[in-house]
Amino acid sequence: DAGVTQSPTHLIKTRGQQVTLRCSPKSGHDTVSWYQQALGQGPQFIFQYYEEEERQRGNFPDRFSGHQFPNYSSELNVNALLLGDSALYLCASSQTGHYGEQYFGPGTRLTVT
Amino acid sequence: DQQVKQNSPSLSVQEGRISILNCDYTNSMFDYFLWYKKYPAEGPTFLISISSIKDKNEDGRFTVFLNKSAKHLSLHIVPSQPGDSAVYFCAASEGGAYNTDKLIFGTGTRLQVFP
Repeated sequence: DAGVTQSPTHLIKTRGQQVTLRCSPKSGHDTVSWYQQALGQGPQFIFQYYEEEERQRGNFPDRFSGHQFPNYSSELNVNALLLGDSALYLCASSQTGHYGEQYFGPGTRLTVT
Repeated sequence: DQQVKQNSPSLSVQEGRISILNCDYTNSMFDYFLWYKKYPAEGPTFLISISSIKDKNEDGRFTVFLNKSAKHLSLHIVPSQPGDSAVYFCAASEGGAYNTDKLIFGTGTRLQVFP
């Protein structure tokens, strides 16, 4: 059973550029959450998608946007990249209405130069 | 405002001894707490959780204790093994055991278990 997968593993972008990160949830999961983990910090909640709509959002600017597809996979888009956007971006999946933990992917390491 | 705090950045314990990791929270609306373990180059892996209606939950070598009045929880690992060496994150949510609510994480504690 494949767990949560994310692509790419690493990414280097220049300030001002745009980036798209991808996530495939664990089989049977319908909800995808995105987190940003800066160096030395814990993961911070960006937003969550369910039924192709944003259900919850953390304290992140509108430069951060997302999408969920009918197959439950998801994308995170960041526009006008800043140096401070350099971080590990984690995707977590879960199944709405069920007990249990959120399963995390290995993350995408984004470096903005 | 850090709603979940892990005040010890690191902890070093001898193999076979008990490891105790601590976590404090400020939001009284939190009703579900989780511990995740993270190895380098991997995503966080779920370890154990506890609902606010309980004060203890046990799973093998891992036990989590919750003190609601003190807004404090702790993770005990007995006995500690070298493979337990990782960063441990405490997390909390307001959504109960339903796993879809956003998680608020602490900054993590790096545990090193030496022989």
